[in-house]
Amino acid sequence: DSGVTQTPKHLITATGQRVTLRCSPRSGDLSVYWYQQSLDQGLQFLIQYYNGEERAKGNILERFSAQQFPDLHSELNLSSLELGDSALYFCASSPRQVSEKLFFGSGTQLSVL
Amino acid sequence: LAKTTQPISMDSYEGQEVNITCSHNNIATNDYITWYQQFPSQGPRFIIQGYKTKVTNEVASLFIPADRKSSTLSLPRVSLSDTAVYYCLVGDWTGGFKTIFGAGTRLFVKA
Repeated sequence: DSGVTQTPKHLITATGQRVTLRCSPRSGDLSVYWYQQSLDQGLQFLIQYYNGEERAKGNILERFSAQQFPDLHSELNLSSLELGDSALYFCASSPRQVSEKLFFGSGTQLSVL
Repeated sequence: LAKTTQPISMDSYEGQEVNITCSHNNIATNDYITWYQQFPSQGPRFIIQGYKTKVTNEVASLFIPADRKSSTLSLPRVSLSDTAVYYCLVGDWTGGFKTIFGAGTRLFVKA
């Protein structure tokens, strides 16, 4: 158990809908990272927050947004969903702003039908 | 784009030592080299991290030459349960620090 909690574990929805994925980092960790993993794209970095502020941005679509709250949990919002958004979404956390040592959650499996 | 290059896949047999090499020609002076293991439908798990020379823990060893342009993850006496994808990662400082994973190496351990 990494100490990172992601909910829900599975999510099934339809095209055009909006969903919210939630992540609680390890106790004491200030950074939260979001990754998307699909079969044909590998593990894609989406975005990082540190202590409530956005710190790094990867290949995140404009339909996607995220935020980190004062209690340090984070939410990833996915809107106008398309079939291609079906993937495993991982959250990770680390104590510092700059770190290659991340602790990953078990992921949310999103299926868009 | 990932800053690392690894073999796409490797096969081994139980009980053998497996060495996976990663190239990171443009590694920054202050970057560490970090390796992860990922099983299907699970999040990547940190294995080992190093800066130079050799690092060893209860799971693996990491060998880093003096020029730090490559690194080798060594898994001693692998078992079937070591079948997984192994990622080598160095920091990406393009437009701010990012942790970018490459394609990884798919290790298949056979009986």
